[in-house]
Amino acid sequence: GQSLEQPSEVTAVEGAIVQINCTYQTSGFYGLSWYQQHDGGAPTFLSYNALDGLEETGRFSSFLSRSDSYGYLLLQELQMKDSASYFCAVRVSRAAGNKLTFGGGTRVLVKP
Amino acid sequence: NAGVMQNPRHLVRRRGQEARLRCSPMKGHSHVYWYRQLPEEGLKFMVYLQKENIIDESGMPKERFSAEFPKEGPSILRIQQVVRGDSAAYFCASSPSGTGNTIYFGEGSWLTVV
Repeated sequence: GQSLEQPSEVTAVEGAIVQINCTYQTSGFYGLSWYQQHDGGAPTFLSYNALDGLEETGRFSSFLSRSDSYGYLLLQELQMKDSASYFCAVRVSRAAGNKLTFGGGTRVLVKP
Repeated sequence: NAGVMQNPRHLVRRRGQEARLRCSPMKGHSHVYWYRQLPEEGLKFMVYLQKENIIDESGMPKERFSAEFPKEGPSILRIQQVVRGDSAAYFCASSPSGTGNTIYFGEGSWLTVV
């Protein structure tokens, strides 16, 4: 089976930095994606890593180490609007289009 | 450019009734994915379709659930004889092809079975 493990919840204050780790055990690996979902809303794409290293997009960065089957999402200069759930997702097969397998999600709570 | 459109947003059905959820992908997208999300849980893959073809239905329950993506019109996820355990949010996503790295989600359809 496929498994992606991430912490269930993280709490931090405005302006802080939060790192959400994701470890995966999958039958194949064709990239790690991160999505943000506010309560009652749609998951929205944040970032994607196919190769090892750090990808930076504004206040959010994502890192991948394929040898460790590990990645993380880094949220910097936290804002109240960043309170949401964050999901890592892996594309496990080339044959199934962009089918993604998701982790259980990390709920981030930002406090004033 | 309109995003992925799903309707209805909220649907209430009694046990034993049928639920039909519709999804219109983004313009130019021919690949559709359906996911189910239970409260406080992650997104579980159900089915991947291209126009008139089911490519991967490995996440679909064997009974009562079916999906289609006709040549014309939206993709439909159909749940027959609904039970309380079917209550969930059903998300549709689309991509322009099967070789990129991003899928774009709709706002979801929340099914409540009473």
